[in-house]
Amino acid sequence: KQEVTQIPAALSVPEGENLVLNCSFTDSAIYNLQWFRQDPGKGLTSLLLIQSSQREQTSGRLNASLDKSSGRSTLYIAASQPGDSATYLCAVNTGNQFYFGTGTSLTVIP
Amino acid sequence: SAVISQKPSRDICQRGTSLTIQCQVDSQVTMMFWYRQQPGQSLTLIATANQGSEATYESGFVIDKFPISRPNLTFSTLTVSNMSPEDSSIYLCSGGQGDTGELFFGEGSRLTVL
Repeated sequence: KQEVTQIPAALSVPEGENLVLNCSFTDSAIYNLQWFRQDPGKGLTSLLLIQSSQREQTSGRLNASLDKSSGRSTLYIAASQPGDSATYLCAVNTGNQFYFGTGTSLTVIP
Repeated sequence: SAVISQKPSRDICQRGTSLTIQCQVDSQVTMMFWYRQQPGQSLTLIATANQGSEATYESGFVIDKFPISRPNLTFSTLTVSNMSPEDSSIYLCSGGQGDTGELFFGEGSRLTVL
Protein backbone atom coordinates (compact mmCIF):
# COMPACT_ATOMS: atom_id res chain seq x y z
CA LYS A 1 0.00 0.00 0.00
CA GLN A 2 1.23 3.47 -0.89
CA GLU A 3 2.32 5.60 2.05
CA VAL A 4 2.86 9.34 1.73
CA THR A 5 4.90 11.32 4.25
CA GLN A 6 5.45 15.05 4.54
CA ILE A 7 8.29 16.59 6.47
CA PRO A 8 8.36 18.88 8.33
CA ALA A 9 4.92 18.81 9.90
CA ALA A 10 5.18 22.52 10.65
CA LEU A 11 7.40 25.30 9.43
CA SER A 12 7.71 28.94 10.39
CA VAL A 13 9.72 31.38 8.26
CA PRO A 14 10.16 35.15 8.00
CA GLU A 15 8.57 36.92 5.07
CA GLY A 16 10.65 36.95 1.92
CA GLU A 17 12.44 33.69 2.57
CA ASN A 18 12.54 30.92 0.00
CA LEU A 19 11.45 27.54 1.33
CA VAL A 20 11.08 23.89 0.38
CA LEU A 21 8.39 21.48 1.45
CA ASN A 22 8.99 17.76 1.11
CA CYS A 23 6.78 14.85 0.15
CA SER A 24 7.91 11.23 -0.01
CA PHE A 25 6.06 8.14 -1.16
CA THR A 26 6.86 4.46 -0.88
CA ASP A 27 5.76 3.07 -4.26
CA SER A 28 7.15 4.67 -7.41
CA ALA A 29 4.32 3.29 -9.59
CA ILE A 30 2.31 6.49 -9.66
CA TYR A 31 0.11 8.14 -12.24
CA ASN A 32 0.69 11.67 -11.01
CA LEU A 33 1.38 13.76 -7.91
CA GLN A 34 -0.55 16.83 -6.89
CA TRP A 35 0.16 19.62 -4.41
CA PHE A 36 -2.70 21.32 -2.58
CA ARG A 37 -3.12 24.24 -0.25
CA GLN A 38 -5.65 24.18 2.55
CA ASP A 39 -6.68 27.17 4.63
CA PRO A 40 -8.13 26.49 8.10
CA GLY A 41 -11.60 24.96 7.94
CA LYS A 42 -11.68 25.10 4.16
CA GLY A 43 -11.38 22.74 1.24
CA LEU A 44 -8.26 21.98 -0.76
CA THR A 45 -7.06 24.20 -3.57
CA SER A 46 -5.03 22.56 -6.30
CA LEU A 47 -1.63 24.22 -6.76
CA LEU A 48 0.34 22.03 -9.12
CA LEU A 49 -0.10 18.70 -10.86
CA ILE A 50 2.92 16.70 -12.03
CA GLN A 51 2.32 13.76 -14.32
CA SER A 52 4.51 10.70 -13.83
CA SER A 53 6.42 11.48 -17.03
CA GLN A 54 7.27 15.02 -15.90
CA ARG A 55 10.09 16.25 -13.70
CA GLU A 56 8.69 19.59 -12.60
CA GLN A 57 5.88 22.10 -12.89
CA THR A 58 5.90 25.82 -12.21
CA SER A 59 3.17 28.32 -11.38
CA GLY A 60 4.18 31.81 -10.38
CA ARG A 61 6.33 31.61 -7.25
CA LEU A 62 5.72 27.88 -6.91
CA ASN A 63 7.82 25.12 -8.39
CA ALA A 64 7.17 21.44 -7.80
CA SER A 65 9.59 18.68 -8.71
CA LEU A 66 9.13 14.95 -8.96
CA ASP A 67 11.71 12.17 -8.68
CA LYS A 68 9.79 8.93 -9.03
CA SER A 69 12.78 6.66 -8.64
CA SER A 70 13.58 8.03 -5.20
CA GLY A 71 9.92 8.50 -4.25
CA ARG A 72 10.22 12.22 -3.62
CA SER A 73 8.60 15.47 -4.55
CA THR A 74 9.41 18.98 -3.38
CA LEU A 75 7.40 22.17 -3.45
CA TYR A 76 9.55 25.27 -3.66
CA ILE A 77 8.01 28.59 -2.66
CA ALA A 78 9.99 31.67 -3.62
CA ALA A 79 9.87 34.97 -1.76
CA SER A 80 7.31 33.79 0.77
CA GLN A 81 4.49 36.10 1.85
CA PRO A 82 2.17 36.09 4.87
CA GLY A 83 -0.65 35.09 2.52
CA ASP A 84 1.18 31.84 1.86
CA SER A 85 0.42 30.74 5.42
CA ALA A 86 -1.64 27.56 5.12
CA THR A 87 -1.32 23.80 5.24
CA TYR A 88 0.22 22.23 2.16
CA LEU A 89 -0.65 18.66 1.24
CA CYS A 90 0.67 16.37 -1.42
CA ALA A 91 -1.37 13.57 -2.95
CA VAL A 92 -0.20 10.61 -4.98
CA ASN A 93 -2.50 9.18 -7.63
CA THR A 94 -1.86 5.51 -8.35
CA GLY A 95 -4.43 5.43 -11.16
CA ASN A 96 -7.32 4.16 -9.12
CA GLN A 97 -6.75 5.72 -5.73
CA PHE A 98 -5.39 8.89 -4.18
CA TYR A 99 -3.09 8.84 -1.15
CA PHE A 100 -2.64 11.99 0.89
CA GLY A 101 0.19 13.11 3.09
CA THR A 102 -0.47 14.56 6.51
CA GLY A 103 0.53 18.03 5.39
CA THR A 104 3.00 20.74 6.33
CA SER A 105 1.61 23.71 8.23
CA LEU A 106 3.39 26.82 7.01
CA THR A 107 3.45 30.14 8.85
CA VAL A 108 5.07 33.12 7.17
CA ILE A 109 5.88 35.82 9.70
CA PRO A 110 5.56 39.44 8.52
CA SER B 1 -10.32 22.79 -14.24
CA ALA B 2 -13.49 21.84 -12.39
CA VAL B 3 -15.31 24.04 -9.90
CA ILE B 4 -17.04 22.14 -7.14
CA SER B 5 -19.82 23.66 -5.06
CA GLN B 6 -20.67 22.08 -1.77
CA LYS B 7 -23.43 22.90 0.69
CA PRO B 8 -24.02 23.47 3.47
CA SER B 9 -20.66 25.02 4.27
CA ARG B 10 -21.26 24.39 7.94
CA ASP B 11 -23.93 23.14 10.27
CA ILE B 12 -24.51 22.40 13.91
CA CYS B 13 -26.66 19.35 14.48
CA GLN B 14 -28.14 17.44 17.35
CA ARG B 15 -27.16 13.92 18.21
CA GLY B 16 -29.30 11.30 16.49
CA THR B 17 -30.29 13.45 13.52
CA SER B 18 -29.13 13.14 9.92
CA LEU B 19 -27.66 15.69 7.53
CA THR B 20 -27.34 15.56 3.75
CA ILE B 21 -24.47 17.34 2.04
CA GLN B 22 -24.77 18.24 -1.63
CA CYS B 23 -21.98 18.46 -4.16
CA GLN B 24 -22.30 19.99 -7.61
CA VAL B 25 -19.53 20.00 -10.21
CA ASP B 26 -19.54 22.50 -13.06
CA SER B 27 -18.18 20.03 -15.60
CA GLN B 28 -18.28 16.32 -16.07
CA VAL B 29 -15.80 14.44 -13.98
CA THR B 30 -14.92 10.79 -14.24
CA MET B 31 -14.73 10.16 -10.52
CA MET B 32 -16.35 11.68 -7.47
CA PHE B 33 -15.18 11.01 -3.95
CA TRP B 34 -16.23 11.86 -0.42
CA TYR B 35 -13.59 12.44 2.23
CA ARG B 36 -13.66 13.15 5.93
CA GLN B 37 -11.07 15.28 7.67
CA GLN B 38 -11.05 15.24 11.44
CA PRO B 39 -9.41 18.09 13.33
CA GLY B 40 -5.67 18.23 12.81
CA GLN B 41 -5.61 15.20 10.56
CA SER B 42 -5.26 14.44 6.89
CA LEU B 43 -8.02 13.26 4.60
CA THR B 44 -9.72 9.88 4.95
CA LEU B 45 -11.60 8.50 1.98
CA ILE B 46 -15.17 7.54 2.85
CA ALA B 47 -16.30 6.26 -0.52
CA THR B 48 -16.21 6.62 -4.28
CA ALA B 49 -19.53 7.82 -5.63
CA ASN B 50 -20.52 5.80 -8.69
CA GLN B 51 -22.97 7.20 -11.19
CA GLY B 52 -26.29 5.38 -11.08
CA SER B 53 -25.12 2.63 -8.77
CA GLU B 54 -24.11 2.00 -5.19
CA ALA B 55 -21.05 3.79 -3.90
CA THR B 56 -17.84 1.91 -3.16
CA TYR B 57 -17.05 2.26 0.54
CA GLU B 58 -13.68 2.13 2.24
CA SER B 59 -12.98 -0.04 5.22
CA GLY B 60 -14.65 1.34 8.30
CA PHE B 61 -17.44 3.13 6.44
CA VAL B 62 -20.84 1.59 5.71
CA ILE B 63 -23.78 2.54 3.56
CA ASP B 64 -26.23 2.65 6.45
CA LYS B 65 -24.21 5.34 8.16
CA PHE B 66 -23.07 7.25 5.06
CA PRO B 67 -25.56 6.73 2.23
CA ILE B 68 -24.31 8.31 -1.01
CA SER B 69 -26.10 9.06 -4.23
CA ARG B 70 -24.78 10.10 -7.62
CA PRO B 71 -27.68 10.33 -10.05
CA ASN B 72 -25.58 11.92 -12.81
CA LEU B 73 -22.01 12.84 -13.65
CA THR B 74 -22.07 16.23 -11.97
CA PHE B 75 -24.06 15.80 -8.75
CA SER B 76 -23.67 13.73 -5.59
CA THR B 77 -24.98 13.72 -2.04
CA LEU B 78 -23.58 12.33 1.19
CA THR B 79 -25.84 11.76 4.17
CA VAL B 80 -24.41 11.42 7.65
CA SER B 81 -27.01 9.37 9.50
CA ASN B 82 -27.81 9.08 13.19
CA MET B 83 -25.04 11.51 14.05
CA SER B 84 -22.93 11.42 17.18
CA PRO B 85 -20.28 13.89 18.39
CA GLU B 86 -17.62 11.60 16.85
CA ASP B 87 -19.00 12.55 13.43
CA SER B 88 -17.92 16.15 13.92
CA SER B 89 -15.54 16.73 11.01
CA ILE B 90 -15.08 18.50 7.75
CA TYR B 91 -16.64 16.52 4.91
CA LEU B 92 -15.12 17.13 1.50
CA CYS B 93 -16.45 16.33 -1.93
CA SER B 94 -13.93 15.92 -4.74
CA GLY B 95 -13.98 15.24 -8.43
CA GLY B 96 -11.31 13.71 -10.61
CA GLN B 97 -10.86 14.42 -14.30
CA GLY B 98 -10.17 11.30 -16.31
CA ASP B 99 -7.83 12.84 -18.90
CA THR B 100 -5.36 14.45 -16.51
CA GLY B 101 -6.13 12.60 -13.30
CA GLU B 102 -6.31 15.94 -11.53
CA LEU B 103 -8.37 16.11 -8.36
CA PHE B 104 -10.51 19.10 -7.38
CA PHE B 105 -12.23 19.80 -4.09
CA GLY B 106 -15.24 21.63 -2.84
CA GLU B 107 -15.00 24.11 0.02
CA GLY B 108 -15.96 21.47 2.52
CA SER B 109 -18.83 21.12 4.97
CA ARG B 110 -17.89 21.66 8.59
CA LEU B 111 -20.18 19.58 10.73
CA THR B 112 -20.49 19.93 14.50
CA VAL B 113 -22.62 17.44 16.38
CA LEU B 114 -23.73 18.36 19.87
